[in-house]
Amino acid sequence: QQQVKQSPQSLIVQKGGISIINCAYENTAFDYFPWYQQFPGKGPALLIAIRPDVSEKKEGRFTISFNKSAKQFSLHIMDSQPGDSATYFCAARNSGAQKLVFGQGTRLTINP
Amino acid sequence: EAGVAQSPRYKIIEKRQSVAFWCNPISGHATLYWYQQILGQGPKLLIQFQNNGVVDDSQLPKDRFSAERLKGVDSTLKIQPAKLEDSAVYLCASSFPASLGAFFGQGTRLTVV
Repeated sequence: QQQVKQSPQSLIVQKGGISIINCAYENTAFDYFPWYQQFPGKGPALLIAIRPDVSEKKEGRFTISFNKSAKQFSLHIMDSQPGDSATYFCAARNSGAQKLVFGQGTRLTINP
Repeated sequence: EAGVAQSPRYKIIEKRQSVAFWCNPISGHATLYWYQQILGQGPKLLIQFQNNGVVDDSQLPKDRFSAERLKGVDSTLKIQPAKLEDSAVYLCASSFPASLGAFFGQGTRLTVV
């Protein structure tokens, strides 16, 4: 119930393309869904986050789409750039426990 | 604003030895987390503090791992004795209570040989 499942494990996208990473969860008590970006040798950095009361949130080239009934959410990176090459983690948080649970990660490579 | 500070950055020890990691959270952040990140996997929560009290340590291997948070600020995570499977990056994160965003340090990469 505390798991967040993320796919794909790795993704290669051409520069200028759209990168899409998907996550699914089971625990309906989760009420906050952030995405983290991690570069090699660095800690994860908060990229964008969404609450389940909205279906979409956009910040620049990054968009989260949220489907509450399907218990799925996804990250879309528009006009992907080589600098976006990193590992991306979805996560989910139960406000009561404040525990942040992470997906397995997606290694994204943007080819120039 | 200074970020979450961790030390050391790297540590290599032999199995059965002990090791300690240190974390200084962002000023004012009452919630502090220790995560273990094995290569190729997502971070796994080991322990969560609220001020100097433990909120969740359900996934902490208590026979060998211990953690404390003195005066509700800095924290140390200790492993004694270390096993080969403890090789991982140990990440510290902090946040305001009930805050949505957690901020991570750069981590300590532990190699057990």
